[in-house]
Amino acid sequence: EAQVTQNPRYLITVTGKKLTVTCSQNMNHEYMSWYRQDPGLGLRQIYYSMNVEVTDKGDVPEGYKVSRKEKRNFPLILESPSPNQTSLYFCASSWSGDHTGELFFGEGSRLTVL
Amino acid sequence: AQTVTQSQPEMSVQEAETVTLSCTYDTSESNYYLFWYKQPPSRQMILVIRQEAYKQQNATENRFSVNFQKAAKSFSLKISDSQLGDTAMYFCAFMKQGGGADGLTFGKGTHLIIQP
Repeated sequence: EAQVTQNPRYLITVTGKKLTVTCSQNMNHEYMSWYRQDPGLGLRQIYYSMNVEVTDKGDVPEGYKVSRKEKRNFPLILESPSPNQTSLYFCASSWSGDHTGELFFGEGSRLTVL
Repeated sequence: AQTVTQSQPEMSVQEAETVTLSCTYDTSESNYYLFWYKQPPSRQMILVIRQEAYKQQNATENRFSVNFQKAAKSFSLKISDSQLGDTAMYFCAFMKQGGGADGLTFGKGTHLIIQP
């Protein structure tokens, strides 16, 4: 089954404790990206990757890191989480960066930073 | 930069009625794509319908159709014969051709409630 898998789905952590949200897709997609969703703000792009070893900042990259060492994986790293990073996070992938095909979303990861 | 505006934070209609969700956008791009995504309580983002700006014909997918007015920069979603399962947040989204740093630009969403 074609899918984008995120883990963990739910996480409560404390300020400053490094964490990683993993994202994996099984569709051989070149393009992957991370969004955060906050009430009243819709979804905003954090980082994206056009292909392996190619990553770049989106609209709200502060406080986040990513890596793309393999085509299928695109982890989101919070080196020192803060309460303003409490949010719902989505990983997404597509065949290519121009999105002529559908953008596939993971099921979301609810992160709470205390 | 692009902006997407959904002016209806919440809407409520009776089952089987037709409902139209509004979306306007602002861009200087001439080639782009527009999307409607559905987010049910499960939080999964589901693509409902997409429209290429170069196509004059409005996209349709079963009970879902759009009214794309390029000159007015308007992209409304019409749901016919609404069903209880249509209850969800609906997001309008814009993407310029080539995507990249801008990715998808989303509106703030419309919470649609279908009443039995």
